[in-house]
Amino acid sequence: QQPVQSPQAVILREGEDAVINCSSSKALYSVHWYRQKHGEAPVFLMILLKGGEQKGHEKISASFNEKKQQSSLYLTASQLSYSGTYFCGTGILPLADDKIIFGKGTRLHILP
Amino acid sequence: GAGVSQTPSNKVTEKGKYVELRCDPISGHTALYWYRQSLGQGPEFLIYFQGTGAADDSGLPNDRFFAVRPEGSVSTLKIQRTERGDSAVYLCATSPGTGGGEQFFGPGTRLTVL
Repeated sequence: QQPVQSPQAVILREGEDAVINCSSSKALYSVHWYRQKHGEAPVFLMILLKGGEQKGHEKISASFNEKKQQSSLYLTASQLSYSGTYFCGTGILPLADDKIIFGKGTRLHILP
Repeated sequence: GAGVSQTPSNKVTEKGKYVELRCDPISGHTALYWYRQSLGQGPEFLIYFQGTGAADDSGLPNDRFFAVRPEGSVSTLKIQRTERGDSAVYLCATSPGTGGGEQFFGPGTRLTVL
């Protein structure tokens, strides 16, 4: 089952914060976050493998609530370079190197 | 170093024709994945190789789709009797296979079936 992302789209001004949510109806072993700019390939942001895990990547961080089968991606003090479509992906096996089932994406547009 | 490369970058074909899409992985990456992406959608899993063998082909939509990786490096996705619904960007991704989880995506092949 494909994970559900919300919101579908976000428009922010530079410097504002955003939260992108990802939820699944199936038990999760891993959550993967990728960003894709228009006309380009998806680029890896981070993977969360354990319930309760939180990770940071500069001003982009994420959390994974295994019991609720949810993950959230946090973008703080957004920069113009953050614009793009963010995909969460879920893994249903206890392996980091497994197929990813991606959501439909959240389009983020940062205005100067 | 060189990233994942895919050829051709664009392929236009007619309904009913056969096409082959090629993926050259990052050197040393043992895991290779094929996805396809339609406009406004996330990548859709097709097949996953670990070395030469297909570890998971559950995403192949039907028996018109087939993929090989004979020497554990280059992979070819083959589509027989193409249909208009096959039009999409076909993405290849590879990973070292060491448990890190990061997949490195190629630029994709845009397939258009007329």
